Amino acid sequence: GAVVSQHPSWVICKSGTSVKIECRSLDFQATTMFWYRQFPKQSLMLMATSNEGSKATYEQGVEKDKFLINHASLTLSTLTVTSAHPEDSSFYICSATPQGRTDTQYFGPGTRLTVL
Amino acid sequence: QKEVEQNSGPLSVPEGAIASLNCTYSDRGSQSFFWYRQYSGKSPELIMFIYSNGDKEDGRFTAQLNKASQYVSLLIRDSQPSDSATYLCAAVPGGYQKVTFGIGTKLQVIP
Repeated sequence: GAVVSQHPSWVICKSGTSVKIECRSLDFQATTMFWYRQFPKQSLMLMATSNEGSKATYEQGVEKDKFLINHASLTLSTLTVTSAHPEDSSFYICSATPQGRTDTQYFGPGTRLTVL
Repeated sequence: QKEVEQNSGPLSVPEGAIASLNCTYSDRGSQSFFWYRQYSGKSPELIMFIYSNGDKEDGRFTAQLNKASQYVSLLIRDSQPSDSATYLCAAVPGGYQKVTFGIGTKLQVIP
């Protein structure tokens, strides 16, 4: 149980284009999903907290107009990187907290984004 | 000040030995603590979580929590080469869902 998927696993795009990453909880409902970014040899950095049916809460220094988050249902959250630049190249990981719990997060497999 | 601190390592132990991974946290209100394992290029996977002072054992893994010292540790008994990975310590500040991660300790188990 507690499986989280992400799509796509890998994406390469040209600078200036937008990329959408999906995060799905497959066997549980998640009122809260989190989006992280991880650069090589660095720890996970929380970008934003996504709650179903409401606006995402962004961490300090994360541009909400650049990283658009939509938590449309209890099993799906999307992150759209708009006007991507090479410095946005990173490993993007989502996690989800099962409904009714606040103590555990289950991670998706991550999406490797490379912006040329 | 970093909220969760770990030594980045690498920590090298011989196969079969006990690996001891340590973590300190700054928020005294933190309630829940987690250990995740992350292989290179992969997403973190949950190993254990602990809420109460003392030890919690699960197979070869033992998590230890000392809230007075604001200290969490993970012991891996009978270490195997497949345990070689980066181990992330994480804490949930009191009253919030947001999880704060340490930088992770790289463990190398030498055959």
